[in-house]
Amino acid sequence: KNEVEQSPQNLTAQEGEFITINCSYSVGISALHWLQQHPGGGIVSLFMLSSGKKKHGRLIATINIQEKHSSLHITASHPRDSAVYICAGNSGGGADGLTFGKGTHLIIQP
Amino acid sequence: NAGVMQNPRHLVRRRGQEARLRCSPMKGHSHVYWYRQLPEEGLKFMVYLQKENIIDESGMPKERFSAEFPKEGPSILRIQQVVRGDSAAYFCASSPNLAGDYSGNTIYFGEGSWLTVV
Repeated sequence: KNEVEQSPQNLTAQEGEFITINCSYSVGISALHWLQQHPGGGIVSLFMLSSGKKKHGRLIATINIQEKHSSLHITASHPRDSAVYICAGNSGGGADGLTFGKGTHLIIQP
Repeated sequence: NAGVMQNPRHLVRRRGQEARLRCSPMKGHSHVYWYRQLPEEGLKFMVYLQKENIIDESGMPKERFSAEFPKEGPSILRIQQVVRGDSAAYFCASSPNLAGDYSGNTIYFGEGSWLTVV
């Protein structure tokens, strides 16, 4: 059974701080998705990773396959980054059968 | 290019009634996924469909729930004889093809449909 564990569950930081959210996953998962859920409930897919590192603007996602660990970093954090960040994994790169973490509730204070 | 469109955004049903949630994928997308987010819980995969085919329904309850993605029109998630425990946010997502080749294909989510059973 695939499992995904995220930490921390809640994170409050000041504007400008460097943010790291961690995700550990079980054997059987070979692709990781990072999602962002806005306060209104809408979900945006940020990254899909199976190896290495991806960067988009101030967001960076890394994955270590040997350690079965992925991190999402936010540089120069801003209040508009406040959201729930969710990692999800499955055995392929598609979106079926995804196992989701419980999410990290991030609040960036001005 | 409109995003993934879900409707209704909010739906209230009495116990025993039927709920129908609709999802129109992004233009050109042939893969549709439904997920459920129960209050205070994480998202859970329900079903994966391609046009006229259910590919993976391993996350969908065996009774009362059904899904379809007809040749024409939106994908429908149907819940018969709703109970209070069905109250949740139901999200639809679409992708242009199966990203099993790790091409970095991204999935696109709708805004969700919030079902409340009273």
